Amino acid sequence: QQPVQSPQAVILREGEDAVINCSSSKALYSVHWYRQKHGEAPVFLMILLKGGEQKGHDKISASFNEKKQQSSLYLTASQLSYSGTYFCGIWLVGSQGNLIFGKGTKLSVKP
Amino acid sequence: DTGVSQNPRHKITKRGQNVTFRCDPISEHNRLYWYRQTLGQGPEFLTYFQNEAQLEKSRLLSDRFSAERPKGSFSTLEIQRTEQGDSAMYLCASSQQIAGTDTQYFGPGTRLTVL
Repeated sequence: QQPVQSPQAVILREGEDAVINCSSSKALYSVHWYRQKHGEAPVFLMILLKGGEQKGHDKISASFNEKKQQSSLYLTASQLSYSGTYFCGIWLVGSQGNLIFGKGTKLSVKP
Repeated sequence: DTGVSQNPRHKITKRGQNVTFRCDPISEHNRLYWYRQTLGQGPEFLTYFQNEAQLEKSRLLSDRFSAERPKGSFSTLEIQRTEQGDSAMYLCASSQQIAGTDTQYFGPGTRLTVL
């Protein structure tokens, strides 16, 4: 049931773009994206409900493809502050609300 | 704006001892979750409460683990007879369901080291 995130790690230069994918083998109700810096708690970025919507937050946006049961997180014009590990948490259809997290994608942004 | 708080932030204990962690959620949130996170992994669900009722427990939660949320406010997670495999970061999150969504906000966590 754990979602599969790809890539596992990515290294960027400031200003470059990145895409992080999250795929589920089961029907999704919603996808939740978090960023976690070393030694800190995960910080909520955005939530997407089934319906194929796309959301944006500054230069970070995400989409939800209901047919493919996957979500993608788009980081454009990356900044040093974007460095960290990105997790997707999935809420499955029929679930009571506990999130199932992927193993994370480690993003490093270099100057 | 007061976020989720957890105490203690760090706990070192010897194998076989009991430990208790506390989580204070965001005040208006009715749901409270406990997760465990080990190095290189995402948070792993343990249990959750809606108000004072414990609604779901992970099959991974052994009988040595117990959680309470008296009066639907703060919550405690107790681990009895700790084992080295219990060493991890224990995260608490709280949420309030609005329009079918459930945004969970995490606390800073309690890092447990079992020697």
